[in-house]
Amino acid sequence: EPEVTQTPSHQVTQMGQEVILRCVPISNHLYFYWYRQILGQKVEFLVSFYNNEISEKSEIFDDQFSVERPDGSNFTLKIRSTKLEDSAMYFCASSTGIWRGYQETQYFGPGTRLLVL
Amino acid sequence: GQNIDQPTEMTATEGAIVQINCTYQTSGFNGLFWYQQHAGEAPTFLSYNVLDGLEEKGRFSSFLSRSKGYSYLLLKELQMKDSASYLCAVYSGTYKYIFGTGTRLKVLA
Repeated sequence: EPEVTQTPSHQVTQMGQEVILRCVPISNHLYFYWYRQILGQKVEFLVSFYNNEISEKSEIFDDQFSVERPDGSNFTLKIRSTKLEDSAMYFCASSTGIWRGYQETQYFGPGTRLLVL
Repeated sequence: GQNIDQPTEMTATEGAIVQINCTYQTSGFNGLFWYQQHAGEAPTFLSYNVLDGLEEKGRFSSFLSRSKGYSYLLLKELQMKDSASYLCAVYSGTYKYIFGTGTRLKVLA
């Protein structure tokens, strides 16, 4: 069964550094998402991306964050000048983008656990 | 504003039935999804509702009332492996999902 993959599984960085989190969505999916989940808290939507453009973004997704699809398979989240409060699990998800409820179902990757020291 | 409420924790016994409620007030609504999340893992899709009524999928059923801003997930014949968090998420219709805080379910032997 096709799946979303993410690398690295864990990332430790110093405050102020830049990190790039990588995702490979399911190959025939057209919509890509990033979420974060701070330990013990809810899953928070960051951004959705389609056709090389951001479709929607939340208030969390400020100038510190950017997304890119550098080639036909990867989807990346860049976090500039990391802060302690950026420590969280970051999930990538993808969907077909065909809205028939179940077909729009998102498939989540296993996540990258980011720790900012 | 966007508000999705779920009970924080529930406990039930193996073999029993449990109902997890979700109420929502969101600026857009195009469907409600339920996900299961085991600790340290990614959410996995369980069910969705777009129209009012009950959707059944094996041991899991989900109900939606759009006029009341209310949904529930019903889990039957509980098994120990059902111990997890259950997340309610509203799809706004513009490729944006809003998740509730999740309900931690403990299944006891």
